[in-house]
Amino acid sequence: RKEVEQDPGPFNVPEGATVAFNCTYSNSASQSFFWYRQDCRKEPKLLMSVYSSGNEDGRFTAQLNRASQYISLLIRDSKLSDSATYLCVADTGGFKTIFGAGTRLFVKA
Amino acid sequence: GAVVSQHPSWVICKSGTSVKIECRSLDFQATTMFWYRQFPKQSLMLMATSNEGSKATYEQGVEKDKFLINHASLTLSTLTVTSAHPEDSSFYICSVTGLGDYNEQFFGPGTRLTVL
Repeated sequence: RKEVEQDPGPFNVPEGATVAFNCTYSNSASQSFFWYRQDCRKEPKLLMSVYSSGNEDGRFTAQLNRASQYISLLIRDSKLSDSATYLCVADTGGFKTIFGAGTRLFVKA
Repeated sequence: GAVVSQHPSWVICKSGTSVKIECRSLDFQATTMFWYRQFPKQSLMLMATSNEGSKATYEQGVEKDKFLINHASLTLSTLTVTSAHPEDSSFYICSVTGLGDYNEQFFGPGTRLTVL
């Protein structure tokens, strides 16, 4: 089983739609969780951290479910510019972090 | 967040040559940097943890004699791919961390290596 697992997609959604991604992690000792966005042939950029109490930033909402060991990302009112690969990240209980393989999102006009 | 640069941004070389990639933390003194490799349509794979003033810690399956890491200062880490072969062609990205309570990472722009 992969340490961090995501549905690779792709998710094809129209502009304005709401889309949700889930990610599961296997290490129960993980403490820090993040969502990164990666555009084609570019480096990942931090989208948001995921706190135990959840985290909302504009159209983006991240949730953590420790009991089931998954985190989620909700994107409301999708924009064309949201098209990218979204990487789920969990630490290993220490200093290192493990990246999921990413979920590809295409937002269509 | 931290500003991280990498040089070169892309390189094409012949099989058997060595390639050095630099990672610089421009506004943050990074005691720890990470080196990742990403193949097309795959996720980032951690290669090694670069520690300032000491030896790097390599992940399982990564040859330390092939991928030489030097972290000589708090702002510079280098990755040298020795005797590169076509299968080493990949996107190499470095990152810095440790800015806050959470392990957010800030990435360099990456170096695209193509070995002919």
